[in-house]
Amino acid sequence: DGGITQSPKYLFRKEGQNVTLSCEQNLNHDAMYWYRQDPGQGLRLIYYSQIVNDFQKGDIAEGYSVSREKKESFPLTVTSAQKNPTAFYLCASSIRGAGTEAFFGQGTRLTVV
Amino acid sequence: RKEVEQDPGPFNVPEGATVAFNCTYSNSASQSFFWYRQDCRKEPKLLMSVYSSGNEDGRFTAQLNRASQYISLLIRDSKLSDSATYLCVVSFRVTGFQKLVFGTGTRLLVSP
Repeated sequence: DGGITQSPKYLFRKEGQNVTLSCEQNLNHDAMYWYRQDPGQGLRLIYYSQIVNDFQKGDIAEGYSVSREKKESFPLTVTSAQKNPTAFYLCASSIRGAGTEAFFGQGTRLTVV
Repeated sequence: RKEVEQDPGPFNVPEGATVAFNCTYSNSASQSFFWYRQDCRKEPKLLMSVYSSGNEDGRFTAQLNRASQYISLLIRDSKLSDSATYLCVVSFRVTGFQKLVFGTGTRLLVSP
């Protein structure tokens, strides 16, 4: 089945550590995105990529990094510079172009302990 | 002003009721509009796209008013399974990128 897979589902991080969240899609989509969701807030865009080997900062990129070496994969690293990393992280993909919906992975819930 | 604004709710309605959600957006250059549904601790999933002429999918009706920058979702004959958070989503172009902006969501609770 085609879809978008995030792992792990739950992740615990000690303060000062970097962690990497995985996102893989087999939908053959060019565009991929990372969002963060906090309670009572909408999804906020962290990074996006429209094509392999290219990515751009979203609205809240500080303390995060990404890579896009393969079309299928768009991992997100939460670095120690991110001051408040505890959140629900959602990866999405879409066909490039106007009016196209985004498909989401099941999310990773990151907690700093 | 937020780019996309929704009443957070919750809306508490009995089964069988009709309920309407509203959403306003600030960017007049917005091109595409969607309603997503998000269940507790799950990912958002597309409920329906919203077209200029309005569109209907079973018990769900979406309307768009570009002049007032306003989107609505009407749910008729509410079911228990409709309980979820409904996210209003607007897209517009930013330097060649189609950006999706999400509202904070409106929570619906349908009771027996």
